[in-house]
Amino acid sequence: DGGITQSPKYLFRKEGQNVTLSCEQNLNHDAMYWYRQDPGQGLRLIYYSQIVNDFQKGDIAEGYSVSREKKESFPLTVTSAQKNPTAFYLCASNDRGKTQYFGPGTRLLVL
Amino acid sequence: EDQVTQSPEALRLQEGESSSLNCSYTVSGLRGLFWYRQDPGKGPEFLFTLYSAGEEKEKERLKATLTKKESFLHITAPKPEDSATYLCAAGNNAGNMLTFGGGTRLMVKP
Repeated sequence: DGGITQSPKYLFRKEGQNVTLSCEQNLNHDAMYWYRQDPGQGLRLIYYSQIVNDFQKGDIAEGYSVSREKKESFPLTVTSAQKNPTAFYLCASNDRGKTQYFGPGTRLLVL
Repeated sequence: EDQVTQSPEALRLQEGESSSLNCSYTVSGLRGLFWYRQDPGKGPEFLFTLYSAGEEKEKERLKATLTKKESFLHITAPKPEDSATYLCAAGNNAGNMLTFGGGTRLMVKP
């Protein structure tokens, strides 16, 4: 099955802890994205990568970091600098100019 | 700066009561207008892409239309299973990114 997988489905973070969200795609897409969704709101772009070993900040990158060492993987780290990390995190991918497809999401909660 | 606004924020319909969702956009050079459906706790599911004013696309009870300033998602004779949040997003010619609206939460009662 072709698609985008995200893990874990739920993630709990303690104060001062860094946590990493996984995103993998087997669609052979060049571009990958991370979005944050807060209750009742639309999607806001955190980071995006158009090609392996390159990535750019989105609108709300502060407190987050990413890497793109492989075409199929784009992990997101939520650092301790992100003071309000509770949200639903969505990963997406596409070929340039084409439709973005989304993974199932990871819900991050703070203990 | 690109902007996308959806209205209403929430819409309650009786089963069979047709209606429309609105997506207003301001984009410097529209590359495409995208509609997605999102169920609670899940990722958005792609519905339609519209590329130019006057274009229409249909899928079951849904029909999406596009003008130079707005897109409408028409829902004909909705069923309870159509209940979801509908997101629209606009892409510009400058890059590969999308600007999303806040979504319309649709509730269809039997």
